[in-house]
Amino acid sequence: NAGVTQTPKFRVLKTGQSMTLLCAQDMNHEYMYWYRQDPGMGLRLIHYSVGEGTTAKGEVPDGYNVSRLKKQNFLLGLESAAPSQTSVYFCASSYSDRLAAKNIQYFGAGTRLSVL
Amino acid sequence: AQSVTQLDSHVSVSEGTPVLLRCNYSSSYSPSLFWYVQHPNKGLQLLLKYTSAATLVKGINGFEAEFKKSETSFHLTKPSAHMSDAAEYFCVVCDRNSGGYQKVTFGTGTKLQVIP
Repeated sequence: NAGVTQTPKFRVLKTGQSMTLLCAQDMNHEYMYWYRQDPGMGLRLIHYSVGEGTTAKGEVPDGYNVSRLKKQNFLLGLESAAPSQTSVYFCASSYSDRLAAKNIQYFGAGTRLSVL
Repeated sequence: AQSVTQLDSHVSVSEGTPVLLRCNYSSSYSPSLFWYVQHPNKGLQLLLKYTSAATLVKGINGFEAEFKKSETSFHLTKPSAHMSDAAEYFCVVCDRNSGGYQKVTFGTGTKLQVIP
């Protein structure tokens, strides 16, 4: 049982380049999330999805797009990378909130992205 | 509005002494509360959760937290610190947003240093 897997683990981009981060979960979770982590700011929600084919904006969505074509995958795209997007990105998944005890989020190991 | 405040950005304790990491929250509904731990260059791991059952919650590695509704607090404690506890700790509140979906807010984190 792999849990939540993020690829790639590291990436260096030049300003203006594009890339896609992939998150895959094998726990049949309905909810999936993308966060960015910056020093002193904790984790901030970029986008999330409450089910296959649905996405919603989080706290800091600008400059990012997402897609959830399959239940197990949640893709985060940067169309034109900027230095301000240098960060560590975490994907998470959870069951739906109909059962409060199931609201635990399971995290991937993170992707370190540097934009030069 | 939902928010989480971790009152200390850094806490330093001696090995074998008690640990107290403070967290206050605000929420419009009855939230679920979590503590996650992040070791250097690692993803986030769930320590413990409160979901409206017992107010004193026991987690992994000897940590526990007490939900105090009157004080809107969910402080994390451990009787005796171990060197392996050195990490960053995040308090998280999970509630419903106005659309009825799960809304998750992370605190800014507390870095715990354990001195030999």
